[in-house]
Amino acid sequence: QSLLTQPPSVSGAPGQRVSISCTGSSSNIGAGFDVHWYQQLPGAAPKLLVSGATSRPSGVPDRFSGSKSGTSASLAITGLQADDEADYYCQSYDSSLSLSIFGGGTKVTVL
Amino acid sequence: QLQLQESDPGLVKPSETLSLTCTVSGGSISTNDYYWGWIRQPPGKGLESIGTIYYSGHAYYNPSLRSRVTISVDTSKNFFSLRLSSVTAADTAVYFCARHGLNDQIDSWGQGTLVTVSS
Repeated sequence: QSLLTQPPSVSGAPGQRVSISCTGSSSNIGAGFDVHWYQQLPGAAPKLLVSGATSRPSGVPDRFSGSKSGTSASLAITGLQADDEADYYCQSYDSSLSLSIFGGGTKVTVL
Repeated sequence: QLQLQESDPGLVKPSETLSLTCTVSGGSISTNDYYWGWIRQPPGKGLESIGTIYYSGHAYYNPSLRSRVTISVDTSKNFFSLRLSSVTAADTAVYFCARHGLNDQIDSWGQGTLVTVSS
């Protein structure tokens, strides 16, 4: 059972907007630790998509955006494209474990 | 360009010790700006942090694995290592090494290596 809870799957048509939630607790997101988001394509290592809830590394399109409030964070994908089909993971730091923790992952399907 | 490369132990027998190294190239492991970690992903499942280590050698471990895991660093050879003892089939996974920034973001990953525990 992950300490960060994500929906197992979300789907949307091309061009639509989808959102993925990441719910934590007072020992991680709620404690003020940053939330990061990763995209993992089949057979590949995860790739950093959004850092610190809202910052995008160079090369990541602005269709991907993050937000954070209280003990939760969200990743939004606008203008959904076929190559956005992937697994997405949130990550934060947990003070009770002194360790990085990941959400269970969300599979995004483009209809 | 920083690159991380895991070694490839392939098949490990049950009850034995899994050993992996992560060679860091294109940058120094001896930096206060980053720390280093191991993450695993069982087939078809999500990501799990195994532990992290600073170049000083100070390590933090996942409590669920703490009794079996050791992470070490060799600054002279620019690599860090993972040892996981008494493995079972549940330890079968793709193992990634990674670089963590000071806000804990992972900005560089190895390609991952599949370790299968089987007799």
